[in-house]
Amino acid sequence: AQSVAQPEDQVNVAEGNPLTVKCTYSVSGNPYLFWYVQYPNRGLQFLLKYITGDNLVKGSYGFEAEFNKSQTSFHLKKPSALVSDSALYFCAVRVRLTDKLIFGTGTRLQVFP
Amino acid sequence: DGGITQSPKYLFRKEGQNVTLSCEQNLNHDAMYWYRQDPGQGLRLIYYSQIVNDFQKGDIAEGYSVSREKKESFPLTVTSAQKNPTAFYLCASIQGAGYEQFFGPGTRLTVL
Repeated sequence: AQSVAQPEDQVNVAEGNPLTVKCTYSVSGNPYLFWYVQYPNRGLQFLLKYITGDNLVKGSYGFEAEFNKSQTSFHLKKPSALVSDSALYFCAVRVRLTDKLIFGTGTRLQVFP
Repeated sequence: DGGITQSPKYLFRKEGQNVTLSCEQNLNHDAMYWYRQDPGQGLRLIYYSQIVNDFQKGDIAEGYSVSREKKESFPLTVTSAQKNPTAFYLCASIQGAGYEQFFGPGTRLTVL
């Protein structure tokens, strides 16, 4: 069965420091992977996706993610965190043929001034 | 501007009542999805529709019903059979395979 794991409920980082939000996946075949961000009482906003090609994917707001097939990971990264990056982050994998998404449980990112 | 609208933003329901959540999109997307969000559980798929007049159950369809009579509309009814309906409900649509899902702003349902 396909699944996504986000092992950290919360990640704390100081403003200006690099951040990493972890995601691992289990899927048959080649994965389509996504990162979304959610601010309080709002819908999800798309950040970036991996379909094929370069393992380093660049997305919105300075975020990037590294696809690692051997480790089945798709960690979200940013070189320098901002307080405004504080939000809930979701990793997701697409189910083939239906385009359904299977989501991880989310990681709350707190960036401290 | 193209997008997805969900209404109402907040909804209160008494036990035993059915309520309907609206989802409308003007993106001309064929496929639409309903998710439920609970704290610490991520998003779980309730129903989805890949084409007008057709829809499929997701992982937690019990106590919910949907219709897809028009391409732009995918309403969700929370019935009295849903035992714990208090949650945040999100509607999404997708342009096609390989594209990202586009989400609406959500409806927060509270059962009194």
